[in-house]
Amino acid sequence: AQSVTQPDIHITVSEGASLELRCNYSYGATPYLFWYVQSPGQGLQLLLKYFSGDTLVQGIKGFEAEFKRSQSSFNLRKPSVHWSDAAEYFCAVGTTSGTYKYIFGTGTRLKVLA
Amino acid sequence: GAGVSQSPRYKVAKRGQDVALRCDPISGHVSLFWYQQALGQGPEFLTYFQNEAQLDKSGLPSDRFFAERPEGSVSTLKIQRTQQEDSAVYLCASSLVGGAGTGELFFGEGSRLTVL
Repeated sequence: AQSVTQPDIHITVSEGASLELRCNYSYGATPYLFWYVQSPGQGLQLLLKYFSGDTLVQGIKGFEAEFKRSQSSFNLRKPSVHWSDAAEYFCAVGTTSGTYKYIFGTGTRLKVLA
Repeated sequence: GAGVSQSPRYKVAKRGQDVALRCDPISGHVSLFWYQQALGQGPEFLTYFQNEAQLDKSGLPSDRFFAERPEGSVSTLKIQRTQQEDSAVYLCASSLVGGAGTGELFFGEGSRLTVL
């Protein structure tokens, strides 16, 4: 069955520190992978996506993610976190066959210390 | 419109009431999804429309849930005889492309339903 796992429910980092949010997926075919961010009271916004090609993808707001097929992972990274990055982050996989859906992880809530 | 619009933003219903949640997607977007997001959880898929056709409704939790998109634009999610476990944020998302999950989803701000 298709699934997305985000093992870290909460992460706290200091402003200026680096960040890595983990995401593991389970999907039989080639995955289409996404990271979304949700600020309080807001809808989800796309940070970046991976379809094929270069396994390191760049997104908005200085985020990047690396696809590692051997580890079934798509971890999100940022070299230096800003206070405005505090939000909830969701990893998702888009199905490419059968039913049409995007499957989301349970999210990682990021807290940034000043 | 400029983005996906959902209404109402907040809805309080007494148990047993019927509710209707509206989604106005970005003009021209082919795909429309409804998701349910419980507190502290990720969005859970409810249903998918490609234009006016409901191609997948496997995520609807019971026959009390019904969704439609009659003209391929605005969509309504209806919940009959609401129960407390229906309390959640209902997210609508649209995508320019149809078919498999490859396009960027644009989300509305959600409709928060509280059932008393």
